[in-house]
Amino acid sequence: EVQLLESGGGMVQPGGSLRLSCAISGFTFSKYAMSWVRQAPGKGLEWVASISASGVSTYYADSVNGRFVISRANSGDTLHLQLNSLRREDTAVYYCAKVRLGIVEVANDHWGQGTLVTVSS
Amino acid sequence: SYVLTQPPSVSVAPGQTAKIACGGDNIGTKSVHWYQQRPGQAPVLVIYYDTDRPSGIPERFSGSNSGNSATLTISRAEAGDEADYYCQVWDNSRNQQVFGGGTKLTVL
Repeated sequence: EVQLLESGGGMVQPGGSLRLSCAISGFTFSKYAMSWVRQAPGKGLEWVASISASGVSTYYADSVNGRFVISRANSGDTLHLQLNSLRREDTAVYYCAKVRLGIVEVANDHWGQGTLVTVSS
Repeated sequence: SYVLTQPPSVSVAPGQTAKIACGGDNIGTKSVHWYQQRPGQAPVLVIYYDTDRPSGIPERFSGSNSGNSATLTISRAEAGDEADYYCQVWDNSRNQQVFGGGTKLTVL
């Protein structure tokens, strides 16, 4: 059974940093691309970033480009998202998602339960 | 940037057919994926590549895509289908995933 478990969320002040992690099980991590998608309270889904299976290629939404960094440790079956220069509008539940293939251009077929990031002073 | 437009809400009577539209410029040339999100839960993929169903998704869920609109069709609607539904594509020109704004389906 595919499982994704996010961790690292919490409350942080504007301008601060946070590192999210996603531990996976039930599939061969190194064969699949991965994504982070967020959802602000009461709002819709917003794609944040994706990374190819090898980790060589990364892609970002305009709203986070230059502030967030997606990375993966294939040896440890873990996906990360480094959040820097946080703003109040970054407050959201952050979901880790497995992409159906090794490339990022296809659907996210499994999702974690999410971790809440709150940016507030 | 590429924009996907969905109606905010759709209502359907139990046992009837619900259609949720997703509009985008020449969306028929892209692969569209659909997600169901029940209140308080993570999204679930219900349709990928316009028409394909993941294992475990009922045949009542189907999709189509042509021209400037893609459609998610839910036949014989049930109370358990009440959820928010999101369409999604990959924008090749900017290398970004794009989600529609979401549609709240009410079964009443």
